[in-house]
Amino acid sequence: GAVVSQHPSWVICKSGTSVKIECRSLDFQATTMFWYRQFPKQSLMLMATSNEGSKATYEQGVEKDKFLINHASLTLSTLTVTSAHPEDSSFYICSAREWEGRLNSPLHFGNGTRLTVT
Amino acid sequence: AQTVTQSQPEMSVQEAETVTLSCTYDTSESDYYLFWYKQPPSRQMILVIRQEAYKQQNATENRFSVNFQKAAKSFSLKISDSQLGDAAMYFCAYRSANTGNQFYFGTGTSLTVIP
Repeated sequence: GAVVSQHPSWVICKSGTSVKIECRSLDFQATTMFWYRQFPKQSLMLMATSNEGSKATYEQGVEKDKFLINHASLTLSTLTVTSAHPEDSSFYICSAREWEGRLNSPLHFGNGTRLTVT
Repeated sequence: AQTVTQSQPEMSVQEAETVTLSCTYDTSESDYYLFWYKQPPSRQMILVIRQEAYKQQNATENRFSVNFQKAAKSFSLKISDSQLGDAAMYFCAYRSANTGNQFYFGTGTSLTVIP
């Protein structure tokens, strides 16, 4: 089945630094990837839609200058949390659909990245 | 935006018994797709089952089945012969067939399986 790999799985950084999270589709190509944020015991909140070769589409309330998304190839999207603050600490999950032309194609998720900002 | 509601924050079931998790959604569309995802403690999201709105037959995957009531906009998940490994958060999700790629997730139900 389709595999989405996310790296790193866990990162601790100091306040004010930037952190890059990678999301790769290992055995399929994805023109669109999705970045979610999940707080403890809560649902997934869509942050942005990453579009290969073009700008990401951000959801309302998500700062695009803080959460930089780059989708440089059909198998890689990156999320960079810039000037991280403790309130950015969260669980970030990326996802993609294997068969983008099929409407019933489900999302496949990465393992997630737990970000802790000290 | 579509709204997906899971009214049961927590549920528990005895091992080998059956449990039903509820999900309702709000939409004006006639064509869409519904999914149930499982998130165990590892936090890896795993697809459990999916349903196309145009299909009247309820989807089934081994011990997992759904009760899809389109008119009532209800999409419940039934887990039969519950196993300890079924313990997880379960999320219901909606995807439009017409507008964009976005999936809308419910707030989740935490399922505990009692041995």
